Amino acid sequence: GDSVTQMEGPVTLSEEAFLTINCTYTATGYPSLFWYVQYPGEGLQLLLKATKADDKGSNKGFEATYRKETTSFHLEKGSVQVSDSAVYFCALSDRTNAGKSTFGDGTTLTVKP
Amino acid sequence: EAGVTQSPTHLIKTRGQQATLRCSPISGHTSVYWYQQALGLGLQFLLWYDEGEERNRGNFPPRFSGRQFPNYSSELNVNALELEDSALYLCASSPPGGSNQPQHFGDGTRLSIL
Repeated sequence: GDSVTQMEGPVTLSEEAFLTINCTYTATGYPSLFWYVQYPGEGLQLLLKATKADDKGSNKGFEATYRKETTSFHLEKGSVQVSDSAVYFCALSDRTNAGKSTFGDGTTLTVKP
Repeated sequence: EAGVTQSPTHLIKTRGQQATLRCSPISGHTSVYWYQQALGLGLQFLLWYDEGEERNRGNFPPRFSGRQFPNYSSELNVNALELEDSALYLCASSPPGGSNQPQHFGDGTRLSIL
C-alpha cells in the first residue's frame, strides 16, 4: 500500500538557518504530493503541492520538488523565521486509491531567535 | 469564505457509549474526508464521502461509520467506544477535481474516552 516516510523530529534551528525536511513515498500509481503545516493551536493547512514529476511547489519561501526517480518530495527553505515554528506533514494522494490521502507522521520544527 | 467547521470542539464519553461528530465543508466542496489523529500515530485516513456516497474507507472497524447529507455536510459515528478511540478527529473537504485537489481541514473534535 501507499506510505509516506518523513524525517523524524523534532528539528530545532536558529533564525535564518537553512531548512530541509526529508520526505520519501511509496505509491502504486501516480500520486499528487503535498506539504501541509499545522501551527500551534490551529488545524492543518496546505503549504504547497506538486501533481507530476519534476513539478516544483512553492509558497511562503518554502519549496519542494517532485522527484520520481528518488520518490522524494523534500521541503526546503533558505532562511527560516520564528513564525515558521509548526508541525509539517508530507502527504500523497494516489489516483488509483481514490480519495485516500496518506500522511507522514509529521515533523515538529522549532525556530529560535 | 468560511472554512471547514467541526462540532463539538471537545467530546467526553465513557467506554461503550456512542459518539457523533459533525462537519460542514467549505461552500462548493463536494468531498468530505475524516481522519483520526491519535497521539504519536499521525493522521490515519478513516472515510471519504463524495456526492452523498461513501467512496473509500481506511483500515478501521465497522463501528466507525458516517454519512454525507444532501448539503454535503457529514457526520462521523463511533459506536461501542473504546479507550483507544481517544484522539483528535479531523474533517477535511475538497472541491470537485479528484486527487489533484488539496484538502482543507477543520480544527478537529477532540474525543476523550474515560
